[in-house]
Amino acid sequence: DQQVKQNSPSLSVQEGRISILNCDYTNSMFDYFLWYKKYPAEGPTFLISISSIKDKNEDGRFTVFLNKSAKHLSLHIVPSQPGDSAVYFCAARSYNTDKLIFGTGTRLQVFP
Amino acid sequence: EAQVTQNPRYLITVTGKKLTVTCSQNMNHEYMSWYRQDPGLGLRQIYYSMNVEVTDKGDVPEGYKVSRKEKRNFPLILESPSPNQTSLYFCASSLSGEETQYFGPGTRLLVL
Repeated sequence: DQQVKQNSPSLSVQEGRISILNCDYTNSMFDYFLWYKKYPAEGPTFLISISSIKDKNEDGRFTVFLNKSAKHLSLHIVPSQPGDSAVYFCAARSYNTDKLIFGTGTRLQVFP
Repeated sequence: EAQVTQNPRYLITVTGKKLTVTCSQNMNHEYMSWYRQDPGLGLRQIYYSMNVEVTDKGDVPEGYKVSRKEKRNFPLILESPSPNQTSLYFCASSLSGEETQYFGPGTRLLVL
């Protein structure tokens, strides 16, 4: 059973516009959420995170929103740049474990 | 430079031939972990280690072994590889299980 779901396998956005990547989770014990970015032939790199005590965290062009009641989080990238083209994984962790549960990933393509 | 290294980066082998994928980190991290990435399944944790001589199973440990004799190294051992272990493998490390994980570049394994 997939506890962390990214229902859109791919997303295509024009440069300068907003990219919105979505993630849903089922486990109400998750209290910490992360987004990782992965380029081809490289390992995932940490992008941004959010604790369940917050509903928004911002870092430059990247903002993560958390809606606990809907068990949904989203990553907003604005403005999108061609260098943002990558696979984005959302991940979640519950307070009583050190395990990270990853989603299946969304491939973002930003075109000029 | 702080990094997680994996060797080899690419490996083709045959069913039943024992192999080891090495992982090393130079950040004095206590927590290390192995993941496999498969299409449509995202990243799934195989084994993790909280510290030297402390290892535990992740979500998909069958067919794998690990050891943590030194803090910096966390090798992944496939005693008798099978074709369903063909995958992209990532090693990761962090200060603790609660901290952000840093990933290695990945090892692509093909078992014939």
